[in-house]
Amino acid sequence: QSALTQPASVSGSPGQSITISCTGTSSDVGGYNYVSWYQQHPGKAPKLMIYDVSNRPSGVSNRFSGSKSGNTASLTISGLQAEDEADYYCNSYRSSSTSYVFGTGTKVTVL
Amino acid sequence: EVQLVESGGGLVQPGGSLRLSCAVSGFTFSNYWMAWVRQAPGEGLEWVASTKEGGSDKYYVHSVKGRFTISRDNAKNSLYLQMNSLGAEDTAVYYCARDLAASGSYDCWGQGTLVTVSS
Repeated sequence: QSALTQPASVSGSPGQSITISCTGTSSDVGGYNYVSWYQQHPGKAPKLMIYDVSNRPSGVSNRFSGSKSGNTASLTISGLQAEDEADYYCNSYRSSSTSYVFGTGTKVTVL
Repeated sequence: EVQLVESGGGLVQPGGSLRLSCAVSGFTFSNYWMAWVRQAPGEGLEWVASTKEGGSDKYYVHSVKGRFTISRDNAKNSLYLQMNSLGAEDTAVYYCARDLAASGSYDCWGQGTLVTVSS
């Protein structure tokens, strides 16, 4: 099944804000508020950063925020820090196959 | 402290079988949906399968339907993935994960176990 579409890479300087997009269809991102975002550092397990479009789990910095418009969800990182350099993945429920699907992944580089 | 510990990975020949286990502690296992997620070397994340709290409802990615079976033993606080007819495309690190809100929101992950399918 086809993955959700994310930009391959996004970069920013320390202190700046960046936004990562996640584009799907009306059968997944656009049809349900079941979008989550994960941060993954090399060799580590993923970490949940945002769930149900815009909710932050306990312990996650408020520099991370999520939103959705139509078939595209977005993760915004404000006040970019060196430790934010990692791979980021979105995930959504997909009704057409009663399954979940991850995005293609975005590498965030802090310049 | 919440812990998820996978085991059972290893090297298997094409066409072979393997059973992964995930032992959990630190939370009431029977209250949560659970999932398996895999990551091929150098690639992105792929959702593999999920099971409801009681184990009655199970869902799979199309590529493993009919070959993989997800199951759970709530009395033993354990999640399983039986993998049959393995192919090279199944080579990956397999993670078990807890679904926080029954919405694909995986808030706790194991360390992963590597499955390598090769002759």
